[in-house]
Amino acid sequence: KNEVEQSPQNLTAQEGEFITINCSYSVGISALHWLQQHPGGGIVSLFMLSSGKKKHGRLIATINIQEKHSSLHITASHPRDSAVYICAVVHNAGNMLTFGGGTRLMVKP
Amino acid sequence: DAGVIQSPRHEVTEMGQEVTLRCKPISGHNSLFWYRQTMMRGLELLIYFNNNVPIDDSGMPEDRFSAKMPNASFSTLKIQPSEPRDSAVYFCASSLAQGSQAFFGQGTRLTVV
Repeated sequence: KNEVEQSPQNLTAQEGEFITINCSYSVGISALHWLQQHPGGGIVSLFMLSSGKKKHGRLIATINIQEKHSSLHITASHPRDSAVYICAVVHNAGNMLTFGGGTRLMVKP
Repeated sequence: DAGVIQSPRHEVTEMGQEVTLRCKPISGHNSLFWYRQTMMRGLELLIYFNNNVPIDDSGMPEDRFSAKMPNASFSTLKIQPSEPRDSAVYFCASSLAQGSQAFFGQGTRLTVV
């Protein structure tokens, strides 16, 4: 079993829909990152969380440390949100990063 | 600030040749990370530096890979000799400190033929 599991692997939505991407992990962590990789390949860091919830525009990220789970929500989705979203956890021991396999999101107009 | 700058953007080389990838972190950032992304394995952390010192290189796949950070504004990732299985996109990222939000470069797409 991978240390970081994301679901779903692929997601197709209609413009305007509310989207949720999930990330579960099995190791002790000090922080969790949500990354966005554009179709052109560039990677942007969206959030870094160690507890609670963060919001930036239409994006919301939450984390539950006890349940070892994080979610990324996109409200009022738009075709430009189409990308791969990657969850990455920072291990307590050694600050190593482990990545989830990514969720490929396509938002159709 | 221009962000994290990587060069070259694309590199095609023959098996057995030496390859050097370069990264300029954001000015003032103390941590620098090298990642590799492949279809098979996704994103992997290769090595990271804090204050120019390598902290953890356990992600470096083999002795053919080496990374240096001679000063706060420059790092290299070298593969010698290169092999076709090294073909991947290599990303560099920097952050203000260990554990803080990372900013990524555009990546170097390496093809070894």
